[in-house]
Amino acid sequence: ETGVTQSPTHLIKTRGQQVTLRCSSQSGHNTVSWYQQALGQGPQFIFQYYREEENGRGNFPPRFSGLQFPNYSSELNVNALELDDSALYLCASSLGGAGGLNEQFFGPGTRLTVL
Amino acid sequence: AQSVAQPEDQVNVAEGNPLTVKCTYSVSGNPYLFWYVQYPNRGLQFLLKYITGDNLVKGSYGFEAEFNKSQTSFHLKKPSALVSDSALYFCAVRKNTGTASKLTFGTGTRLQVTL
Repeated sequence: ETGVTQSPTHLIKTRGQQVTLRCSSQSGHNTVSWYQQALGQGPQFIFQYYREEENGRGNFPPRFSGLQFPNYSSELNVNALELDDSALYLCASSLGGAGGLNEQFFGPGTRLTVL
Repeated sequence: AQSVAQPEDQVNVAEGNPLTVKCTYSVSGNPYLFWYVQYPNRGLQFLLKYITGDNLVKGSYGFEAEFNKSQTSFHLKKPSALVSDSALYFCAVRKNTGTASKLTFGTGTRLQVTL
């Protein structure tokens, strides 16, 4: 069974640029959630995808967008990067979608630095 | 809105001694509660969850947690700490409604186990 993988591991961008982060979900999981973890903080929910549809969103602006593909892998896109976007971005996969009670399994994260 | 509080930024304990990491929550209705652990440069690893049933939940690596509805608490415990338990611990709550399975995390507690 393959765990959750994320790429790239680290990324450095400048303000105003755009970035795409990628996540491969654990085998058999159909739900992907994205979280932002700022330094010294707990993860903050960005959004969740279930069967290629966004089915929940946290308090993040529209410049944070995502996709889920038929194989349940996912992308997080951030446009017009700001300094405060510097954080560890975590992807988590689970089985069940909306209302599901299964635990989420997290990837190692992508460390984004915005200069 | 749901929230989680971890009142201690850091907990220090000697190896072999019992440990407790505190968590209190606020959510309307019945909560679903989780504990995750984060090692340096790693994603979050699932430890245990409370959905319903027995108030004492047993999880991975010898950890357990006690759900107390009247005190709205879900403290993480281990009878005998190991140096390898040193890490960052997060408590999280998920509201059991038909929305996306969003986890709301606390700010984390750093556990330091010394010889």
